[in-house]
Amino acid sequence: GAGVSQSPSNKVTEKGKDVELRCDPISGHTALYWYRQRLGQGLEFLIYFQGNSAPDKSGLPSDRFSAERTGESVSTLTIQRTQQEDSAVYLCASSSQPPGQETQYFGPGTRLLVL
Amino acid sequence: AQSVSQHNHHVILSEAASLELGCNYSYGGTVNLFWYVQYPGQHLQLLLKYFSGDPLVKGIKGFEAEFIKSKFSFNLRKPSVQWSDTAEYFCAVNSAGNMLTFGGGTRLMVKP
Repeated sequence: GAGVSQSPSNKVTEKGKDVELRCDPISGHTALYWYRQRLGQGLEFLIYFQGNSAPDKSGLPSDRFSAERTGESVSTLTIQRTQQEDSAVYLCASSSQPPGQETQYFGPGTRLLVL
Repeated sequence: AQSVSQHNHHVILSEAASLELGCNYSYGGTVNLFWYVQYPGQHLQLLLKYFSGDPLVKGIKGFEAEFIKSKFSFNLRKPSVQWSDTAEYFCAVNSAGNMLTFGGGTRLMVKP
């Protein structure tokens, strides 16, 4: 079946502009995660959704970052007033189980470059 | 809080050499441990995982990892690497109700 998909695959934007990144999880997966991976670094957790609610937003780096999920499916990560330090690959993952022993399935990521 | 350390950031090996990538975590409770791999141009994918039972876990493509609780370690091993193993490897840990925490990754380059 289809895996996790993300769009766009690449995004170049100017400092100060808003961007929206989209994630389509595997059908039926109730848990959805967003991560950020800066160049040469590991994955940094941003936010977790169980269904349409976000029990854990602890990783969002500032109030410029927000995310929503609708229909227990698609999720959108929005970055307002982008800064150069927001440049990174943004990864989405989904799983069929809540945090604990789950295997997360990752999308290809969106590579964001803020000029 | 959980944290994961991968001490080797870059590893270069020749084909047929043996591989061991270190992973140490800090968390006092029961943990679940994972190794993910990202081949060039591909998604992150699960290589192997440990939840309970036999501490020596076998994964895909001949990889294995050993959980040593007393050392808080989950090192990844492969007896003989191939050029196709060139990738970035991430160790990760979680526990019940907690988010998956990733190490910083190890870039492996295998010379043909």
